[in-house]
Amino acid sequence: AQSVTQLGSHVSVSEGALVLLRCNYSSSVPPYLFWYVQYPNQGLQLLLKYTTGATLVKGINGFEAEFKKSETSFHLTKPSAHMSDAAEYFCAVTLTQGGSEKLVFGKGTKLTVNP
Amino acid sequence: EAGVTQSPTHLIKTRGQQVTLRCSPISGHTSVYWYQQALGLGLQFLLWYDEGEERNRGNFPPRFSGRQFPNYSSELNVNALELEDSALYLCASSFHSAADTQYFGPGTRLTVL
Repeated sequence: AQSVTQLGSHVSVSEGALVLLRCNYSSSVPPYLFWYVQYPNQGLQLLLKYTTGATLVKGINGFEAEFKKSETSFHLTKPSAHMSDAAEYFCAVTLTQGGSEKLVFGKGTKLTVNP
Repeated sequence: EAGVTQSPTHLIKTRGQQVTLRCSPISGHTSVYWYQQALGLGLQFLLWYDEGEERNRGNFPPRFSGRQFPNYSSELNVNALELEDSALYLCASSFHSAADTQYFGPGTRLTVL
């Protein structure tokens, strides 16, 4: 079955430390890949997306992600965490099901940033 | 430019009742998507409408239904509410394809007592 897996439902880092949020997908064809962020009591906001071309994608707020086809991964990174990065992050993949596309989300990773 | 709007923001219902949630997409977007975000279950895809037609449906019972109007706004209807329907219901809009970026509204928080 086609799916999206986010490793680690909770990740905790210190302010200024590297942020690494993992996302793996299973798909028989190259998908489109997205990372969204959700702040408390808000909807989702797009951080970045990969469709075609350069596999390293830069997004808002200093985040970037690299599409690695051989590893079926799209991990999200940020060199230096800020307190304002505390939120829940969702990886999403467009998958084709029954001839129709849909966006499938991972279960999310809650990021805590410690002072 | 206005983003995706949803109404109401909060709703409290009792078991067995019916509820209607509303969504207005970003101007120019023809596709509207509905998602359920229940505690501990992540975002579950409910429905996708484009140009007034239902294009795809998630694994939800038929008591979850909806429609899209000629102005591309959309309603989500849930009949015979159950306790486990308590969740944040998110609406998103995009251009035609699910491969296009989806822009999300703030959601409607539904509590079923």
